[in-house]
Amino acid sequence: ETGVTQTPRHLVMGMTNKKSLKCEQHLGHNAMYWYKQSAKKPLELMFVYNFKEQTENNSVPSRFSPECPNSSHLFLHLHTLQPEDSALYLCASSQALGGGAPDTQYFGPGTRLTVL
Amino acid sequence: SQQGEEDPQALSIQEGENATMNCSYKTSINNLQWYRQNSGRGLVHLILIRSNEREKHSGRLRVTLDTSKKSSSLLITASRAADTASYFCALHSGGGADGLTFGKGTHLIIQP
Repeated sequence: ETGVTQTPRHLVMGMTNKKSLKCEQHLGHNAMYWYKQSAKKPLELMFVYNFKEQTENNSVPSRFSPECPNSSHLFLHLHTLQPEDSALYLCASSQALGGGAPDTQYFGPGTRLTVL
Repeated sequence: SQQGEEDPQALSIQEGENATMNCSYKTSINNLQWYRQNSGRGLVHLILIRSNEREKHSGRLRVTLDTSKKSSSLLITASRAADTASYFCALHSGGGADGLTFGKGTHLIIQP
């Protein structure tokens, strides 16, 4: 639908588990993003990758570890999470142009994460 | 970083009526974007309006931007039941690959 896919769509994990979220974009974009959406809170930007380089880490705890092996794939590795980390995790991509030109972000359907 | 604030938080109207949602912010922006989210799903981009633009149209959508008042509005004309969703304004303040800053959204319900 939007060219950005995320797997899995739903994930339930215990606090001692290690899991990974995957995002793939088929739009030829060069920037990818992770956002967290918790109930009753604004969507929060977590990480930004531009041309595979991390350009922003929005004070995210180290139990969240991003990986961007190429401009089409983005992972979010999870370990020793807390119940308050339960949320919808959204991936997005965009074509980041030179000179600071504004760009539209295209979102995936999200992964609904529940931490027990 | 700043975020937009949508108003109202919730809006319920009859099908066929127009729906207006507002977004206010506090500092300078490159552009302002409106997104729609159906329950528990990903966001869909609706319209991007740049800081030097005042009004944009896309189908039944009309967006205005007043940088002097630091506010934007989204108008949906002739609403349909399928328009029921949450609507978010997102601010782009930095360079091309910077992330967006979202508000809490307006939950719109269209009564059939």
